[in-house]
Amino acid sequence: DTGVSQNPRHKITKRGQNVTFRCDPISEHNRLYWYRQTLGQGPEFLTYFQNEAQLEKSRLLSDRFSAERPKGSFSTLEIQRTEQGDSAMYLCASSETGGVGQPQHFGDGTRLSIL
Amino acid sequence: AQSVTQPDIHITVSEGASLELRCNYSYGATPYLFWYVQSPGQGLQLLLKYFSGDTLVQGIKGFEAEFKRSQSSFNLRKPSVHWSDAAEYFCAVGAGGTSYGKLTFGQGTILTVHP
Repeated sequence: DTGVSQNPRHKITKRGQNVTFRCDPISEHNRLYWYRQTLGQGPEFLTYFQNEAQLEKSRLLSDRFSAERPKGSFSTLEIQRTEQGDSAMYLCASSETGGVGQPQHFGDGTRLSIL
Repeated sequence: AQSVTQPDIHITVSEGASLELRCNYSYGATPYLFWYVQSPGQGLQLLLKYFSGDTLVQGIKGFEAEFKRSQSSFNLRKPSVHWSDAAEYFCAVGAGGTSYGKLTFGQGTILTVHP
């Protein structure tokens, strides 16, 4: 169990640029989640995958955001035309199937800073 | 929709003192409750979870939490705090149904430990 891995750890970009983050979940975990955490707040749910299927998207996920999980393995989160308000920590978590009680294991996150 | 309230934004205790962090939740059905801890620049680590059964649950690092349905609370406790416990603590409720596993977090409580 190598844990959930997220890359890059930090991303600094100019407003209007596109960015892409990657998440590698724990290998046997079928479920994958993305959350966004702004300073002084708890994480907020963005989207959820069961294997390769994206089953739920938050209203926070505007049309500039897109997430994929090809082949049910790693996942990417892309933000197009970044805005100042996108500055946040983006967290990925994974869990096994078997009920809502399965604990989610979090990566260390990608911190996005928009100049 | 579910929600979590952590009334205390910041708590300071002396090393060796006891600790209680408060959490109140709102959820229409039987809640799945979690406490996570986050060190600066890191992801979240699961401390403990409650689904059903014994309302007093034990977790890692000497933490415990008590579920009180009548008060809609799930407070985290530790009898003797260590300096290494300084971090931010998040209470979360898990959603069932089609939102399988989606977590809703509280705002977090920052714990400072004085020597």
